[in-house]
Amino acid sequence: EIVLTQSPGTLSLSPGERATLSCRASQSISSNFLAWYQQKPGLAPRLLIYGASNWATGIPDRFSGSGSGTDFTLTISRLEPEDFAVYYCHQYGSSPWTFGQGTKVEIK
Amino acid sequence: QVQLQESGPGLVKPSETLSLMCTVSGGSISSHYWSWIRQPPGKGLEWIGYMYYSGSTNYNPSLKSRVTMSLDTSKNQFSLKLSSVTAADTAVYYCARANWNYVLDYWGQGILVTVSS
Repeated sequence: EIVLTQSPGTLSLSPGERATLSCRASQSISSNFLAWYQQKPGLAPRLLIYGASNWATGIPDRFSGSGSGTDFTLTISRLEPEDFAVYYCHQYGSSPWTFGQGTKVEIK
Repeated sequence: QVQLQESGPGLVKPSETLSLMCTVSGGSISSHYWSWIRQPPGKGLEWIGYMYYSGSTNYNPSLKSRVTMSLDTSKNQFSLKLSSVTAADTAVYYCARANWNYVLDYWGQGILVTVSS
């Protein structure tokens, strides 16, 4: 099973600042099958990025994904008020599919 | 626009079987992969498994002995059964579609299932 470790656990930032979230895998992820999700309280996860760097439909370009192999990054270039949430990385390249433990982006 | 909606009992007794249904609208269930994911209160996400429209399945080994998934193409629904539940199975259960690249792109709103006597 591929273990995904996200860091930091919590990121305290102000609107307009840049957020950099990390996801490290215990082994290389096949075909860069790595996605990022945003989750707000009481809601289902929302797909942001798939294939490590591809935007899902309707996702603003202030969100970007990068990385390959075992190290991946989600960057939010300028935080908007609606971006404060929990973010999960997810690998779907090897069974069982797994998720990281999440990074909470909170208002400073 | 594909939409998914979970339904089922919100309370299940320990040792019994949890049964949930996911109704798909805006698209046919006779394509893609159909998956279940759960999230214990205040915790992270756990993939339970998926079923391909042809009937093949792929379950998380941690739950495999207790999980059964099925499809009803006539009703555009798919289901989850989890047997011998304990308090550790208390969670919000999500159904989701995985597209041809296995990306979980559409999710239901989730249903909270509590295991308690």
